Amino acid sequence: EIVMTQSPATLSLSPGERATLSCRASQSVSSNLAWYQQKPGQAPRLLIYGASTRATGIPARFSGSGSGTEFTLTISSLQSEDFAVYYCQQYNSRFTFGPGTKVDI
Amino acid sequence: EVQLVESGGGLVQPGGSLRLSCSASGFSFSTYAMHWVRQAPGKGLEYVSAISSDGHSTYYADSVTGRFTISRDNSKNTLYLQMSSLRAEDTAVYYCVRRFGAYDYWGQGTLVTVSS
Repeated sequence: EIVMTQSPATLSLSPGERATLSCRASQSVSSNLAWYQQKPGQAPRLLIYGASTRATGIPARFSGSGSGTEFTLTISSLQSEDFAVYYCQQYNSRFTFGPGTKVDI
Repeated sequence: EVQLVESGGGLVQPGGSLRLSCSASGFSFSTYAMHWVRQAPGKGLEYVSAISSDGHSTYYADSVTGRFTISRDNSKNTLYLQMSSLRAEDTAVYYCVRRFGAYDYWGQGTLVTVSS
């Protein structure tokens, strides 16, 4: 099974700041990597798929990069609605999620 | 508008059974693979099971193999998850998700609590 790790576990930032979240796979997943955002009491929402393609309706301040085993989600300027938990997921070989990064104030 | 609406969750005793349903609308249900994903209280996301668009192929996480059965009725646009021999560790919100590469649409989830 491919194991996904995310760092940091918690990211404390202020509105307007840049957020950089990391995700690592235990073996190559090519570009079959997605990022999801989850707010309390809500279902996750797809942000990025194919490592770098924004999903429909996702603002341009969200960007993804990487391939193979190292991936990054960047939020260029945090808005109040961006404070949430972010999960990465590989879908190259079965489906596994990282443990999440909480972005809070 | 794509909608996925889960139902069937509730409180069940250890060893018991429960069937979850997911009613889909707003897209051509029969052309998409569908999955179940769960989230234990305060925890992360866990893939549970998957089914191909035609229902002929099914897949399970090791943690539920032999206890859960995924199925679908394309004539009713409905996905199912039959859960048996339930354990305390199966307590979670269960999400129905559409797979298009990644998981592009999620239901709101249904809570399953396994407790005596």
